[in-house]
Amino acid sequence: GAVVSQHPSRVICKSGTSVKIECRSLDFQATTMFWYRQFPKQSLMLMATSNEGSKATYEQGVEKDKFLINHASLTLSTLTVTSAHPEDSSFYICSARARGGGGSYNEQFFGPGTRLTVL
Amino acid sequence: GDSVTQMEGPVTLSEEAFLTINCTYTATGYPSLFWYVQYPGEGLQLLLKATKADDKGSNKGFEATYRKETTSFHLEKGSVQVSDSAVYFCALTEANQAGTALIFGKGTTLSVSS
Repeated sequence: GAVVSQHPSRVICKSGTSVKIECRSLDFQATTMFWYRQFPKQSLMLMATSNEGSKATYEQGVEKDKFLINHASLTLSTLTVTSAHPEDSSFYICSARARGGGGSYNEQFFGPGTRLTVL
Repeated sequence: GDSVTQMEGPVTLSEEAFLTINCTYTATGYPSLFWYVQYPGEGLQLLLKATKADDKGSNKGFEATYRKETTSFHLEKGSVQVSDSAVYFCALTEANQAGTALIFGKGTTLSVSS
């Protein structure tokens, strides 16, 4: 089956530093990748949608200058949390949609998530 | 806009009990419907899906039927196990639209005791 990896799985950083999270589709090409944020005991909130080779589309209320997304290839997207603060502490999850995966449904494959803790 | 509403938890059951987690949706088009499961400390895993009305998705003893007339996709299992303890998310996405994200319900926590 389709596998999506994320790295790192956990990261702890000091306030003011930047953190990069990688999302990779291991055995398929992903034309579209999505970044979600999940607060404890809550649902996933879509942050942005990125298509390979173009700028990401951010959801309302998400600061694009703070959450930099790059989708440089069909197998890699990165999320950089710039100048992180404690309120950015969360569980970040990416998902990928396979290239040519149209048809009657639109399945996405999720990474295992990255736990970010900002001190 | 499109949305998903699922019953609030937590749901606490004894092993071998019957499980139902209700999920209803609103959508302008013809969505595909999904149930995802998140085990403690892990990412989301697709549990089952249905892509058109009256389809029944099933996996690991779980079932859900796409009911267009009631805009529902309730998750059921006849006999739960302790290992089913997890958070369950109902989700939808508009079919045939490239690049559309999933819209999730708030999740229902299931705890099964032996």
